Amino acid sequence: DIQLTQSPSFLSASVGDRVTITCRASRGISSSLAWYQQKPGKAPKLLIYAASTLQSGVPSRFSGSGSGTEFTLTISSLQPEDFATYYCQQVASYPLTFGGGTKVEIK
Amino acid sequence: EVQLVQSGAEVKKPGESLKISCKASGYSFTSYWIGWVRQMPGKGLEWMGTIYPGDSDTRYSPSFQGQVTFSVDKSISTAYLQWNSLKASDTAMYYCARRLYSTEEFDPWGQGTLVTVS
Repeated sequence: DIQLTQSPSFLSASVGDRVTITCRASRGISSSLAWYQQKPGKAPKLLIYAASTLQSGVPSRFSGSGSGTEFTLTISSLQPEDFATYYCQQVASYPLTFGGGTKVEIK
Repeated sequence: EVQLVQSGAEVKKPGESLKISCKASGYSFTSYWIGWVRQMPGKGLEWMGTIYPGDSDTRYSPSFQGQVTFSVDKSISTAYLQWNSLKASDTAMYYCARRLYSTEEFDPWGQGTLVTVS
């Protein structure tokens, strides 16, 4: 199975900050990576797929980059509604796997 | 609007059986894979597998193969996740989600069904 390691696992930031979350794959997955946002008590929401393609309706302050084994999710200017847990997911091979999550909290 | 609406919370005893549902609306049910994801209390997301409602083709994660069964009823646009004998370790939130048309990512997701086995 492909393991995904997210860092950091916890992040404290202020409104307006630029935030970057990293996801590393245990072997190369080309651009087969997605990012999800999950708020407490809610279902996850797809933000980005194919490493860098913004899902329809997702604000442009979210962006994704990377290929192979290293990927990043960037929030250019953190908004109050962005405080949540973020997960990466590899869709390159079965079984599909998720990273352990990064919780973004208010500083 | 594409929507997935899941059945309500369940409380069961170990050894009991259970079938939870995920009703789809707003799109052609038989044209998109439906997936299931487990989230244990306070933990991350785990991909359980997917089913294609058009022909019931299924793909299970090895971690869940033999432990659960996916099925669909095309006549009512509903997917199901079933256990024959629940364990306390099955206590979790279970989400259904629609795969994107040509890739494996999930969007949208159902609201989740909380299963408590105690």
